[in-house]
Amino acid sequence: QIQLVQSGPELKKPGESVKISCKASGYTFTDYAMHWVKQAPGKGLKWMGWINTYTGKPTYADDFKGRFVFSLEASASTANLQISNLKNEDTATYFCARSILYFDYWGQGVMVTVSS
Amino acid sequence: NIVMTQSPKSMSISVGDRVTMNCKASQNVGNNIAWYQQKPGQSPKLLIYYASNRYTGVPDRFTGGGYGTDFTLTINSVQAEDAAFYYCQRIYNSPNTFGAGTKLELK
Repeated sequence: QIQLVQSGPELKKPGESVKISCKASGYTFTDYAMHWVKQAPGKGLKWMGWINTYTGKPTYADDFKGRFVFSLEASASTANLQISNLKNEDTATYFCARSILYFDYWGQGVMVTVSS
Repeated sequence: NIVMTQSPKSMSISVGDRVTMNCKASQNVGNNIAWYQQKPGQSPKLLIYYASNRYTGVPDRFTGGGYGTDFTLTINSVQAEDAAFYYCQRIYNSPNTFGAGTKLELK
């Protein structure tokens, strides 16, 4: 069956970096784009951008340009999100979601806590 | 950039009632809208795509409608398990902006 399994929770200090993974199974990885969505505690969903899993080209939403990097380990059917120079406002759950135009499968989410 | 405005922010409904929530796009998006349901501690689940197409396995009490800038999600005969947040999203073209959500509570 189709699954997106994300890595575990992270506790980081301001200024540090974090890398979150999203491992896909049950379908051909390169047939679907992978999107990333942020949800701060008690808040709604915020689209961060997406990566073309065939070409590796990332596209970032305006608010996520600079410190955020989407990457692939295509041979492992895995998409990654790296956030550098972490800030308190990066505290959130980060979801990956596959898309052919709409987001039909989602990862379970990764809670990233940034605290000194 | 496109803005998706959902209303109301919250609603309190009794089991068996019919409820309609709204999503307004700041520009014409055709039928390129999806609706998601999210319960606390869970990932969002796709309900509706292309404004009115029910996703596989979604109960037929969920109905999406609209075109252009104004969209609705209607739940006929609300069940207890429908208590959740509901989000609309612009799909097909970037940015894939979400609305702020509507919280559905059961009385």
